[in-house]
Amino acid sequence: DAKTTQPNSMESNEEEPVHLPCNHSTISGTDYIHWYRQLPSQGPEYVIHGLTSNVNNRMASLAIAEDRKSSTLILHRATLRDAAVYYCILRRSGATNKLIFGTGTLLAVQP
Amino acid sequence: DTGVSQNPRHKITKRGQNVTFRCDPISEHNRLYWYRQTLGQGPEFLTYFQNEAQLEKSRLLSDRFSAERPKGSFSTLEIQRTEQGDSAMYLCASSFGMGSGDYGYTFGSGTRLTVV
Repeated sequence: DAKTTQPNSMESNEEEPVHLPCNHSTISGTDYIHWYRQLPSQGPEYVIHGLTSNVNNRMASLAIAEDRKSSTLILHRATLRDAAVYYCILRRSGATNKLIFGTGTLLAVQP
Repeated sequence: DTGVSQNPRHKITKRGQNVTFRCDPISEHNRLYWYRQTLGQGPEFLTYFQNEAQLEKSRLLSDRFSAERPKGSFSTLEIQRTEQGDSAMYLCASSFGMGSGDYGYTFGSGTRLTVV
């Protein structure tokens, strides 16, 4: 499975946008980019996923580089409830269906 | 449907005892996954079911671990002869999948196992 690289931690201020980066230089053409987040004492929560085009949903936006070797999860206005560990994961279509989690980025949101 | 349900939420057991956890996935989801998570680490994949068939098992799943999904509905994960190293959060997730289509997972809140 292709590997992703994320910063260990980031800080943001409440009501400001947050850009969480992810590098995946060994991504293959059939790898989907998934983002999950995990709040303390809870299971991971699906945020967004995409293949080639940028994606938007009610939680966040996913910006995918043209060469697909990196992506950015964008939280448009951070709230205190967005403080969590954010995982960027590649999932290969058509092969195993499992998600392989790394250690993610711990996002702290300051009031 | 209220999401993925896992029971119990917490389990404390003595070393050497057997434990069983249950996962009730979202009813229309045909795929079910078990993960294990220790403090400070991301979840580690254990096993995957599509309907009632167990299609993949991690090398982490030693012969003391067994998982079932009878009739493709709920699933159980049993650990025999528990060891202190089995202490972790056990997470269940489900998703709907058709062919090579890609869909998000829904995770339960997990069962926290403490082996004393």
